Amino acid sequence: EDKVVQSPLSLVVHEGDTVTLNCSYEVTNFRSLLWYKQEKKAPTFLFMLTSSGIEKKSGRLSSILDKKELFSILNITATQTGDSAIYLCAQGGSEKLVFGKGTKLTVNP
Amino acid sequence: DSGVTQTPKHLITATGQRVTLRCSPRSGDLSVYWYQQSLDQGLQFLIQYYNGEERAKGNILERFSAQQFPDLHSELNLSSLELGDSALYFCASSVGAKKGDTEAFFGQGTRLTVV
Repeated sequence: EDKVVQSPLSLVVHEGDTVTLNCSYEVTNFRSLLWYKQEKKAPTFLFMLTSSGIEKKSGRLSSILDKKELFSILNITATQTGDSAIYLCAQGGSEKLVFGKGTKLTVNP
Repeated sequence: DSGVTQTPKHLITATGQRVTLRCSPRSGDLSVYWYQQSLDQGLQFLIQYYNGEERAKGNILERFSAQQFPDLHSELNLSSLELGDSALYFCASSVGAKKGDTEAFFGQGTRLTVV
């Protein structure tokens, strides 16, 4: 069974801080690593990573994959209260996405 | 708006009953996936359909079943409901059959409460 582990489980920061969220995965059937943001309801897609060492960036968010060490990080710079959410990472295998339990980020004003 | 539509948004029903959750994928997407999210379990993969055929099965109970119709919408049937089935049920869709190749887009979910 594939296993995706995220850390920390919960994080509380102040607006303007930079945060790094971690995701480790197992190699079996690996095809991609995806990040999602879940606020009140549906997870919304952030990034899909397939190649090691290539950073993907969208505004203040960026992510990178290390296929040798089997992990990915999601960075958020200059955090805002609107970044408060659960961040999920998922390993894309040959048939399904396996999700980690998520990191709950709270950004206080 | 992801383009994936789920109905109903909320459902409250009694133990022992049967319910049907419906999902319309994004236009052009052939794959539909069902996930269950409860507080302590995270997102658990249930089942995947591609172009009308079952492609992958996860931790789906025998009391649960799903199908994908010719117009590509999908239904998840939950029967003999138990209190522990209370959860958010998400549907996601993607273009391809192989979920790891393309990102999946999620609907807003159906919150099921079994009383």
